[in-house]
Amino acid sequence: DGGITQSPKYLFRKEGQNVTLSCEQNLNHDAMYWYRQDPGQGLRLIYYSQIVNDFQKGDIAEGYSVSREKKESFPLTVTSAQKNPTAFYLCASSIRDANYGYTFGSGTRLTVV
Amino acid sequence: GQQLNQSPQSMFIQEGEDVSMNCTSSSIFNTWLWYKQDPGEGPVLLIALYKAGELTSNGRLTAQFGITRKDSFLNISASIPSDVGIYFCAGGTGNQFYFGTGTSLTVIP
Repeated sequence: DGGITQSPKYLFRKEGQNVTLSCEQNLNHDAMYWYRQDPGQGLRLIYYSQIVNDFQKGDIAEGYSVSREKKESFPLTVTSAQKNPTAFYLCASSIRDANYGYTFGSGTRLTVV
Repeated sequence: GQQLNQSPQSMFIQEGEDVSMNCTSSSIFNTWLWYKQDPGEGPVLLIALYKAGELTSNGRLTAQFGITRKDSFLNISASIPSDVGIYFCAGGTGNQFYFGTGTSLTVIP
């Protein structure tokens, strides 16, 4: 079955450490996205990528970094520069752009301890 | 970044009742999307709308693209327990979409 796989489901990080969240898709989608979700808020765009080796900042890119070396993979690194990293992170993909809707992964819940 | 105003914030309804929720924006959008999210999971696309005034159904769900292009509405008819979850609207174009704050729906059997 095609889909998006995010791992791990739960992640704990000590303050000051970088951590990388994995996102892999086998849908042959061109575009991939990272969103952050906080309680009672809508999803906010961190980064997106329309093609391999190219990505664009979203509304809240500060403290995050991404790479897109393969079409199937779009890992997100939460750096120590991110002041409030505890959140639910969602990866998504779409065929070309998001007009036809995103396919979301099941999310990674990151907690800073 | 922009966030859309979605209302109501939460709803508690009896099984079998109809549900209405809406989403408004200060900006005009070319596309409106409606998603449902179960706890601890990613959102799942319910309905996509592409034209002002468009009315689209998906089973018991019906959504409308507002004529002003600044709002959208979602109705659920004859609610059932599995309708429980958080419903999000999203408006935008291309790769720039903005999400509403969500409507949490509880269905009481």
